Amino acid sequence: DAGVIQSPRHEVTEMGQEVTLRCKPISGHDYLFWYRQTMMRGLELLIYFNNNVPIDDSGMPEDRFSAKMPNASFSTLKIQPSEPRDSAVYFCASSPEGTKNIQYFGAGTRLSVL
Amino acid sequence: AQSVTQLDSQVPVFEEAPVELRCNYSSSVSVYLFWYVQYPNQGLQLLLKYLSGSTLVKGINGFEAEFNKSQTSFHLRKPSVHISDTAEYFCAVSTYSGGGADGLTFGKGTHLIIQP
Repeated sequence: DAGVIQSPRHEVTEMGQEVTLRCKPISGHDYLFWYRQTMMRGLELLIYFNNNVPIDDSGMPEDRFSAKMPNASFSTLKIQPSEPRDSAVYFCASSPEGTKNIQYFGAGTRLSVL
Repeated sequence: AQSVTQLDSQVPVFEEAPVELRCNYSSSVSVYLFWYVQYPNQGLQLLLKYLSGSTLVKGINGFEAEFNKSQTSFHLRKPSVHISDTAEYFCAVSTYSGGGADGLTFGKGTHLIIQP
């Protein structure tokens, strides 16, 4: 398997623009997680899905952030409008059911909001 | 809620020397414990995990860790490091209630610097 695939790897945008990050989980995995990594706050869970259904979105910073999982092989994280403080590395991870939460991470998307 | 403390933000070690990276956790329920490694500009790779059973777990690249419930610790060790071990190491915990998996709670990370 190719692993968790994230796109784009790098994104540079201007404040106020809409940003969409994409993730393809490992085939057959039931759980999908979105994390954000910053120098100040480290790695934080934003939201996670089980069988395409959002289970916990308490980590989503504010209404500017939204995440969807329209099918088992695709998820998006959208920021609208983007702000400089959203600059971070965003990771997607997936996990199969019954493995006691072993998660496999993508390479991440480095977002810079100018 | 659970939390993870990695006591050292940076650990410099000479090549071929042993190393220990410290991790302490806090949780009101049973947890699963993980160590991940992040090489520059890459994602996180699972090094090892403690899910149940033997408290000494072995992982990839010669690393091992010991779960100590009384001290709520899960320290990572390697008897002899190589220059290629230079990376950021993250300790993480999760709960598993039987109703499903949960997000990981990470420590702030420890930067392992191998000196020749």
